[in-house]
Amino acid sequence: DADVTQTPRNRITKTGKRIMLECSQTKGHDRMYWYRQDPGLGLRLIYYSFDVKDINKGEISDGYSVSRQAQAKFSLSLESAIPNQTALYFCATSRRDASPQHFGDGTRLSIL
Amino acid sequence: AQSVAQPEDQVNVAEGNPLTVKCTYSVSGNPYLFWYVQYPNRGLQFLLKYITGDNLVKGSYGFEAEFNKSQTSFHLKKPSALVSDSALYFCAVRDGGNKLIFGAGTRLAVHP
Repeated sequence: DADVTQTPRNRITKTGKRIMLECSQTKGHDRMYWYRQDPGLGLRLIYYSFDVKDINKGEISDGYSVSRQAQAKFSLSLESAIPNQTALYFCATSRRDASPQHFGDGTRLSIL
Repeated sequence: AQSVAQPEDQVNVAEGNPLTVKCTYSVSGNPYLFWYVQYPNRGLQFLLKYITGDNLVKGSYGFEAEFNKSQTSFHLKKPSALVSDSALYFCAVRDGGNKLIFGAGTRLAVHP
């Protein structure tokens, strides 16, 4: 299912660098989300957007920022990466109702 | 505050035997509950959801889940496990703001 596409799929970088992860969708969904996954912690919400002009902080937004460039695009930035931001990052989309969220295949980010 | 607990880090089952992956939740109001599965190097895939109605919900790949309001549980079940069912399973509850709160995940290992 390539309806939600994340780039890059893997990234290794150094402490202090600025990183951007990108997400695009062809599902026509209004709502988009960024999560990080850590072993034993499940998925935690970083930021979410219910519409192009709407940005909301999630559970763990410190050290991250986002941009909703269009309905179909939602990017996540790490302004100055630190090692404890090493994780698997997922983008997801949904409609406005109680329908399920649809996930991309993730970006594995390693910060040295 | 809404929360989800998956009490087992790992569940082991022999192929052909029934399987259960446990989930309990805490919400205010009526719960919207979801199960997702994650295969290696892939994003989460939706399996099934409970919004209202019958307590036994049927989903993809032969999985079903039983909603029990008095026990605040939503256990995932399958009558006959397959080796290909081996994956990471997440239970989630929707909060009042239409965001998902995930459990920590349960790794299911089905042995031949």
